[in-house]
Amino acid sequence: AQSVTQPDIHITVSEGASLELRCNYSYGATPYLFWYVQSPGQGLQLLLKYFSGDTLVQGIKGFEAEFKRSQSSFNLRKPSVHWSDAAEYFCAVGARAAGNKLTFGGGTRVLVKP
Amino acid sequence: SAVISQKPSRDICQRGTSLTIQCQVDSQVTMMFWYRQQPGQSLTLIATANQGSEATYESGFVIDKFPISRPNLTFSTLTVSNMSPEDSSIYLCSATPTGKELYGYTFGSGTRLTVV
Repeated sequence: AQSVTQPDIHITVSEGASLELRCNYSYGATPYLFWYVQSPGQGLQLLLKYFSGDTLVQGIKGFEAEFKRSQSSFNLRKPSVHWSDAAEYFCAVGARAAGNKLTFGGGTRVLVKP
Repeated sequence: SAVISQKPSRDICQRGTSLTIQCQVDSQVTMMFWYRQQPGQSLTLIATANQGSEATYESGFVIDKFPISRPNLTFSTLTVSNMSPEDSSIYLCSATPTGKELYGYTFGSGTRLTVV
């Protein structure tokens, strides 16, 4: 069965500072990996996705993520955080062999200090 | 990517009653998914709804409690039956256009349910 772990429940970062959110997955084959953001009272918005190819993927809002097979990780980064980046971030894994279902990590809540 | 309209956006319901949540997609989708997000928690998959077949439920979820309809390729409903306060959650539907699975699932804006 596939699983996703986001080790950090909360992260506080100063505006303008860099941000890195960790995501580790467990799956037998190469899964499809996603990062979603959920702002307060909002639905989920896809930030970026990885299927294959270049292990560094660019997403919306200045985010990027790097797939590292050897570490079973898919960490999300942003060089300079804006106050509007305060939200909940979810890493998710899917696979055709798993019926295309997404399994979500527990989420990381990002707080941005002025 | 698909656009999903979900309603109601929120509701407050009496225990013992039922609520039906609707999701309308602006394009044909093979698979739709229903999730529950309990307060302060992540998303948990309730079931997968394919048009023309019975929904497939995840462990811990049963059809009697969460009946799902999927009458066509653009619409689905989830009913939360015989509600109790423990059902207070955000319920979200998700889909991706047919043939583009895993290219990024779109989510509805969610239904925030409070059971009193």
